[in-house]
Amino acid sequence: AQSVTQPDIHITVSEGASLELRCNYSYGATPYLFWYVQSPGQGLQLLLKYFSGDTLVQGIKGFEAEFKRSQSSFNLRKPSVHWSDAAEYFCAVGAGAGKSTFGDGTTLTVKP
Amino acid sequence: EAGVAQSPRYKIIEKRQSVAFWCNPISGHATLYWYQQILGQGPKLLIQFQNNGVVDDSQLPKDRFSAERLKGVDSTLKIQPAKLEDSAVYLCASSLDSQYEQYFGPGTRLTVT
Repeated sequence: AQSVTQPDIHITVSEGASLELRCNYSYGATPYLFWYVQSPGQGLQLLLKYFSGDTLVQGIKGFEAEFKRSQSSFNLRKPSVHWSDAAEYFCAVGAGAGKSTFGDGTTLTVKP
Repeated sequence: EAGVAQSPRYKIIEKRQSVAFWCNPISGHATLYWYQQILGQGPKLLIQFQNNGVVDDSQLPKDRFSAERLKGVDSTLKIQPAKLEDSAVYLCASSLDSQYEQYFGPGTRLTVT
């Protein structure tokens, strides 16, 4: 069975500081991996995805993520956080875009 | 391009009552999903449609939940009767096909009292 663990429930960073959100997954084959962002009262928006190829993937809003098969991880990074990045972030794993299992999310707070 | 539309945005009902949610996917999207997102958790897939056929409903509590996709376009999700533990946000998403990116609607927040 596939599963996703996001170890950090809540993270606080100062505006302009770098960010890394952790994601560990369990999956029997080569996974499809996703990061979504959810702002209050909004649906989920796809930030980036990994299907194959280059293990460092670039996404929207200046985010990137690195797939590390040996560590079963797909951590999300941003070099400089903006106040508008405050939201909840979800990592997901699956065999395709549809059959995805989501983690329980990490809430990001940005301090001025 | 219009996004995924859902209504209502909020609903409060008493336990044992029934409720229905509506979703209008992006035009031309063959695949439609309903997710349940309980507070503090990630979305959980309830049902996946491909056109008007069900692809996966393994996590749908079929004794109380039902869903249909009319003519392969709009979809409704019904709960009858509702329980307290059904309080959650119900998200609808659509994609061009099952292997493509999902686009999510804003969700319906259900509170069962």
